[in-house]
Amino acid sequence: DVKVTQSSRYLVKRTGEKVFLECVQDMDHENMFWYRQDPGLGLRLIYFSYDVKMKEKGDIPEGYSVSREKKERFSLILESASTNQTSMYLCASSQQQDWAKVETQYFGPGTRLLVL
Amino acid sequence: AQRVTQPEKLLSVFKGAPVELKCNYSYSGSPELFWYVQYSRQRLQLLLRHISRESIKGFTADLNKGETSFHLKKPFAQEEDSAMYYCALSGRDSGNTPLVFGKGTRLSVIA
Repeated sequence: DVKVTQSSRYLVKRTGEKVFLECVQDMDHENMFWYRQDPGLGLRLIYFSYDVKMKEKGDIPEGYSVSREKKERFSLILESASTNQTSMYLCASSQQQDWAKVETQYFGPGTRLLVL
Repeated sequence: AQRVTQPEKLLSVFKGAPVELKCNYSYSGSPELFWYVQYSRQRLQLLLRHISRESIKGFTADLNKGETSFHLKKPFAQEEDSAMYYCALSGRDSGNTPLVFGKGTRLSVIA
């Protein structure tokens, strides 16, 4: 059974703080993703990674950065948190067996971040 | 550009009634379509994908390329179907591109 875990379920931070959200998967997946989930806006892709030390911008990368030093871990960093980054953050991972085939994404439980 | 449209934010049906959650997409190539579901206090998970052509929990979805739609259907809704449903698209012609999600439809099944 695929397991994607996120370091915190709830997080409260102050404006301007540096925030780290950690995601770990235990299925040796190549692909990892960070989304934010907001009511009425659905899931929006922030960053993704296809391999260690590789990263690609998603649809809304501004104000975020990522790090993938190990295959199983994908970190999302808010360099200077702002109130408009209050949201639910979802991490996901998927296997990449075939370049042309889209594999199922497995999601973590989410981190609900509140920036005051 | 790839885009997924779910026109209904909220859909309420009575238990036992048929359900159809609408999904339309925009993509010029050969799409791969998915439905993901999030039950209360649970993580988002795959419900079904068009390439599998299978029925999961009584739900089916047919890819209609002419109408660019991938509506999710179930003949008789159950209370446990109440959840948030997301339609998602991947453009296979683009190689390894991420999924594009719609904004979601919250299904509420009333007893």
